[in-house]
Formats: sequence, structure tokens, C-alpha cells
Amino acid sequence: DGGITQSPKYLFRKEGQNVTLSCEQNLNHDAMYWYRQDPGQGLRLIYYSQIVNDFQKGDIAEGYSVSREKKESFPLTVTSAQKNPTAFYLCASTVRGDQPQHFGDGTRLSIL
Amino acid sequence: EDKVVQSPLSLVVHEGDTVTLNCSYEVTNFRSLLWYKQEKKAPTFLFMLTSSGIEKKSGRLSSILDKKELFSILNITATQTGDSAIYLCAVEAQGNMLTFGGGTRLMVKP
Repeated sequence: DGGITQSPKYLFRKEGQNVTLSCEQNLNHDAMYWYRQDPGQGLRLIYYSQIVNDFQKGDIAEGYSVSREKKESFPLTVTSAQKNPTAFYLCASTVRGDQPQHFGDGTRLSIL
Repeated sequence: EDKVVQSPLSLVVHEGDTVTLNCSYEVTNFRSLLWYKQEKKAPTFLFMLTSSGIEKKSGRLSSILDKKELFSILNITATQTGDSAIYLCAVEAQGNMLTFGGGTRLMVKP
């Protein structure tokens, strides 16, 4: 089945550690996005990529990094510079044009 | 700065009630407004609205957009416990980028 796969579902980070969240899609979508969701709040855009080998910062990019080496993959690294990383991270993708974004099931990141 | 505000923040109703969720926005270069339902994990797509005054309907859910007054409503009739979720409103401005509201948490009691 086509879809967006995020892994792992749960992740724990130690102080000073970088961690990488995986997002893979087999929908042949051009654009991919990373959002952060804090409890009781909406989604905020971290980074997005509209084409392979190109990506742009969203509203809250500080402390995060991404890469887009393949169309189907858009991993997010939460660096040690992100001082408050505990949140629910959602990856989304869409074809270009007037189509809605579709979401993966998310990764819940916590600090040890 | 683009802004999307949803109200109420939370709502508790009983099965069979009708609810109306609100979404107002201020964005430049508006392209569309989307509604999503989020239960435990991934938000699932409900509606995409681009034109004023045209109601979109799916079963007991319906939504309409007013581009002059910059708001949208999501109606759910004959609510069921399975409707309990967070409902998210998002506005697309340019480049398929979405700005989300804070969501409305709906709880439907039996």
C-alpha cells in the first residue's frame, strides 16, 4: 500500500545527543514537510522540501537539520542545539498543485 | 505573519448533538483552507476549500468558506463517540505551505 512511514514511533534522546527521525514515502510525491506538535497545540513547520536536493527552513528550523538526497526520503535530525526537543513530530508529503498534504503516523521524542 | 485561529479550544457534547467548529485566518496570497481530523496519530484529511460559499459535504460532516470575512466552519451533525478528536484547520498560502490553527478538541459523550 502507498503511504508515508515514519520511524521510530518513540525515541528518547540524551542531553547533548543528536537523533535522526526517518520519513519515507512511496507515493511519488514531490514535496515533503516536517512539523512539530506540542501538547494541546497545532502543527508548526520545521523544514520543507519541494524537490530533491533542495529544502527550505520553516517557522521553527533552529536546532534542526534535514537532507533530501532521494525523492522518497526526508530525514530530520534533532541536534543538541534544540534545547526543548520533547514533542510529537509529523512528516507530510504532497504532489505539487492543489492537493492536500498527507501525514505519517508521527514520532514521539522525549528527553531522558 | 500568517495567522489561523480556531474556536472553541475544546468542546464536550453528547451523542446526537450538532457541533460547529470555527476557523478564522489572516494570510497573504491565500490559496486554500483545509480541515483535518486527528485522533491519536496522523491527521487525516477531511476537506479542502478554495471557493467562497460552496459547501463541501461528506456524510455527517460539512464545511464552508467565506473569503470575504476570512473564516470557515466545520459542522458535524448527529455526533457519535467516534467523532471525538482534535480538529485542525490549516490555510495554504504559497508553495503548498500550511499554517495551522491550534485545533479544537471535541469530546462526544455517549
